[in-house]
Parts: sequence; structure tokens; C-alpha cells
Amino acid sequence: DPKIIQKPKYLVAVTGSEKILICEQYLGHNAMYWYRQSAKKPLEFMFSYSYQKLMDNQTASSRFQPQSSKKNHLDLQITALKPDDSATYFCASSQDHNKKNTLYFGAGTRLSVL
Amino acid sequence: GEQVEQRPPHLSVREGDSAVIICTYTDPNSYYFFWYKQEPGAGLQLLMKVFSSTEINEGQGFTVLLNKKDKQLSLNLTAAHPGDSAVYFCAVKTQVVGQLTFGRGTRLQVYA
Repeated sequence: DPKIIQKPKYLVAVTGSEKILICEQYLGHNAMYWYRQSAKKPLEFMFSYSYQKLMDNQTASSRFQPQSSKKNHLDLQITALKPDDSATYFCASSQDHNKKNTLYFGAGTRLSVL
Repeated sequence: GEQVEQRPPHLSVREGDSAVIICTYTDPNSYYFFWYKQEPGAGLQLLMKVFSSTEINEGQGFTVLLNKKDKQLSLNLTAAHPGDSAVYFCAVKTQVVGQLTFGRGTRLQVYA
């Protein structure tokens, strides 16, 4: 059974709309992350959270807002969607937020913005 | 910042042959390295993690080599089988906690 659940698996949105990507992990981890994989770039780090607090943000746009309602949840809200936002978004987690920990990834949400 | 080049982007081998994927990184201070496997519709599955103090790591059916002098990491699948068909990514831990710098991936196809 997958331990990191991302919903939905596929998402189609129109330009200008807003969507929320869901991520839940059942590994008992304290740190969670978002990564993005687009057609033009390799997997890119976006955000890291530890105990529901933002630790690092490498995303230039404020249109991307993580939301953590529980320690094992880290959703990603994207507003004013653009076609360039089309990508697969991966959620990941690690035991703790430190340099030694290994990241485990979910299956991703493939977002297409028309 | 760290940059990772991965080659080849596509690789097709016959069942039983070996397959080699190579990643070259730029930051000499990098110290943790990972190989992930992504099957269609699935997430990234961790294959192996390598620390800079270890040069050779063996898994089930594959070997990972780390050459710190040349800043190169390689994945060698020995006797590939169709179940190995997937996209393989190398990743390097940067100085930013939780941030991995990924290669672009290698799509491996193993045919019978």
C-alpha cells in the first residue's frame, strides 16, 4: 500500500483558476516537501516543511501556497493557474528535516492547465 | 548551485545485458547521493543511497559506483530484465536541507 497518498492523480484546469493538490503521508514522518517535474526541467525542489512549519521555499511565485492542517498533511494550493504550471507535482517526506534523511516520494499529481 | 547531468536520456538493452547510467555533479561538497526508479504511474522508488565515504554499493541486480575525484555517480544494472524497464533518476543532496538536485532521468527499456 502506498504510504504517501497524493490526490488527484490527474487534474485538468483552465487558465486563471485555482486548484489544491492533496498530500498525506502515513510514514510517521515529521518533514514534508513538494517537488515539481515539468517537461522542460528536471525535478525541482519547491518547499520543505517540518512539524507543519515552512523551512525553505525555492518557488519564486506566491501563487503556490502549501497548507498543512495536520503534521502528516501538506497540500499545495495554486492560484491564478497558467499553462506553464502544467507539470507533475510530487509530494515527499522524510523522518526529520536534516541533511541525512532520505526522501520518500508519492506517485505525483499530473496537472494540465489549458 | 549544484548541477547534475545524467546520461543517456534513453537506453534500450536486451534482457540479460547490462545497462549503465552515469551522473556527473558539480559541487565537490556534495555528500549524499541517491538513485530512484520511477515506473509508469508510480512515484519515485528509492533504489539506493550512497554516502560520500562509500565508493561501491551493491543492491539486488545492480551496483552503484561513486567516483569523488571525477564527481561522478553511476548505476550499473547487471543482467537487466524487463521488470527493470522504468525511468531512473540520480539525485544529489545539496547544502539546503531537504533539497535534492535531480538529473533529468534515463528511460530504460529492456526487451526480451
